[in-house]
Amino acid sequence: AQSVTQLDSQVPVFEEAPVELRCNYSSSVSVYLFWYVQYPNQGLQLLLKYLSGSTLVKGINGFEAEFNKSQTSFHLRKPSVHISDTAEYFCAVSWVMGFQKLVFGTGTRLLVSP
Amino acid sequence: DAMVIQNPRYQVTQFGKPVTLSCSQTLNHNVMYWYQQKSSQAPKLLFHYYDKDFNNEADTPDNFQSRRPNTSFCFLDIRSPGLGDAAMYLCATSRERTSYEQYFGPGTRLTVT
Repeated sequence: AQSVTQLDSQVPVFEEAPVELRCNYSSSVSVYLFWYVQYPNQGLQLLLKYLSGSTLVKGINGFEAEFNKSQTSFHLRKPSVHISDTAEYFCAVSWVMGFQKLVFGTGTRLLVSP
Repeated sequence: DAMVIQNPRYQVTQFGKPVTLSCSQTLNHNVMYWYQQKSSQAPKLLFHYYDKDFNNEADTPDNFQSRRPNTSFCFLDIRSPGLGDAAMYLCATSRERTSYEQYFGPGTRLTVT
């Protein structure tokens, strides 16, 4: 079965500093990988996705992520964060074939302070 | 704009009193999903509809039911809410079951008193 691990439950960072949110997955089959953002009391918004091809994917709001197959990781990065990036970030996987069921990690709360 | 709408955004119900949450979509997508997200936890899929075909997750309690009267609307019914059912309930849609992208509504936060 597929699973997703986000080791950091909370990441505090100062405004304009770089940030990396870690995501590791385990799967016996090929997967698609996603990062979603959730602002307080709102639904999930897709930040970026990896389906195939280039391992470095760029998303909205200046975020990017790199797929590393050998390390089964899909870490999210931003070179300079803003206060408005404060939110919960979820990594998720789905199967390449068949029903696209999303399996989420437990989330990382990014706290950006001035 | 095409979107996924959930009503109400906040719902308070009493222990054991049936409650219904509503989701509608203007995307004309074939698949609609219901997720439960408890505080500080990952969203967990409860069930999904592919057109009129209902698909329950194996570990979804019997207390949770769903209806999809037409393409646009889907309802989540909790027959006898317990305190442990307090959560954010997220509705999502996708064009097909094999579509990788899901579109989420803003969620309904359910409080059980």
